[in-house]
Amino acid sequence: EVQLLDSGGQLVQPGGSLRLSCAASGFSFKHFAMNWVRQAPGGGLAWVAAISGGSSGAYYADSVKGRFTISRDNSDNTLYLEMNSLRVDDTAIYYCAKPSGGTLRDVFDVWGHGTLVTVSS
Amino acid sequence: EVLLTQSPATLSVSPGERATLSCRASQIIGNNLAWYQQKPGQAPRLLIFGASTRATGIPARFSGSGSGTEFTLTISSLQSEDFGVYFCHQYNNWPPHTFGGGTTVEIK
Repeated sequence: EVQLLDSGGQLVQPGGSLRLSCAASGFSFKHFAMNWVRQAPGGGLAWVAAISGGSSGAYYADSVKGRFTISRDNSDNTLYLEMNSLRVDDTAIYYCAKPSGGTLRDVFDVWGHGTLVTVSS
Repeated sequence: EVLLTQSPATLSVSPGERATLSCRASQIIGNNLAWYQQKPGQAPRLLIFGASTRATGIPARFSGSGSGTEFTLTISSLQSEDFGVYFCHQYNNWPPHTFGGGTTVEIK
């Protein structure tokens, strides 16, 4: 069974840092691009970042560019999101999401359960 | 960036009735549009990709149509378990991936 287990969310002060993790299983992780998508409380979905299978390419939403870094460890089947200079409007549930066909330009057929990041003083 | 506009914002439908949800794109995106269902406290679930192809395990009462800039998700005979929020997603003009604001389907 394909599974994504995201973790690492917690309460952090504005300007702080946090690292999210997503443990993948049940598919050939190194051959799949991966994504982070977030959802503000009561809000809609917003794509955050994506990374190619071999880490040769990383892509970001304008709202997080320069503050967030997506990375992966294919030896450990784990996806990461390093978040710096956190702002109140970064408060959201963060989901890791797997593309159906493995490419960057694709739909998301498997999602993690989500991890809550709260940025507040 | 492609903007996706969903309508209506909320839809109240009686069990057994048809529900029709709309998604309009600000630019032509071919058929590179997906639909997801999300229930409270859960992650989104993929329903439709390629505008009209049902994902694995999705009941036949869910159907998608459209291309270019106008898309529709139809639930032919609404079941009680179909309540939730429905989002459209375009993956044609990337990055970024973009999502619509969602349509909440309520059971009347």
